[in-house]
Amino acid sequence: DAGVIQSPRHEVTEMGQEVTLRCKPISGHDYLFWYRQTMMRGLELLIYFNNNVPIDDSGMPEDRFSAKMPNASFSTLKIQPSEPRDSAVYFCASSPTGAADTQYFGPGTRLTVL
Amino acid sequence: GNSVTQMEGPVTLSEEAFLTINCTYTATGYPSLFWYVQYPGEGLQLLLKATKADDKGSNKGFEATYRKETTSFHLEKGSVQVSDSAVYFCALKGSSASKIIFGSGTRLSIRP
Repeated sequence: DAGVIQSPRHEVTEMGQEVTLRCKPISGHDYLFWYRQTMMRGLELLIYFNNNVPIDDSGMPEDRFSAKMPNASFSTLKIQPSEPRDSAVYFCASSPTGAADTQYFGPGTRLTVL
Repeated sequence: GNSVTQMEGPVTLSEEAFLTINCTYTATGYPSLFWYVQYPGEGLQLLLKATKADDKGSNKGFEATYRKETTSFHLEKGSVQVSDSAVYFCALKGSSASKIIFGSGTRLSIRP
């Protein structure tokens, strides 16, 4: 199993640009989670999906952030327009039904907004 | 609401020292408790878990016991190695919840 795959691993962009982060969960996992990690705020849950349906997006910081899961094997997190305070490491994680406590994390995308 | 409080780091120890990282929680009902570890440049990975009171989770020489009377889940290891240098997160999941609540993380550095 390849594990959770995220792309790109690193992204550097300028303020105001659109950024799209991608995630491929582990095959057969029904839950998908997006997290953001910064030194100041630690690890924050942004949104999670169950069977491709968004269940809780209360952690999404503002309307500039959006997430989609068009099918069971792909999800995107989009920031438009990006701002320097969005600089962080963004993690995607997945878990199977019945074991939502055991989340498998991807390697993360390090985003830098200049 | 549910929450997790863990000791602040960084924690620096010499190789073969005894490790304790404290974690306490606030929750209604009977949550499951976890320790996750994050090695440099990687995502978090589950280290151990306990799903009911008095359970002991263990893995890679690490242990933690679910203490309901003290609402604690402290992480211990008898003899740490340089390779244990990482950030450790205590976490909980409520009995009816699908998401995990993570603590702020404790950075551990082990000197050779």
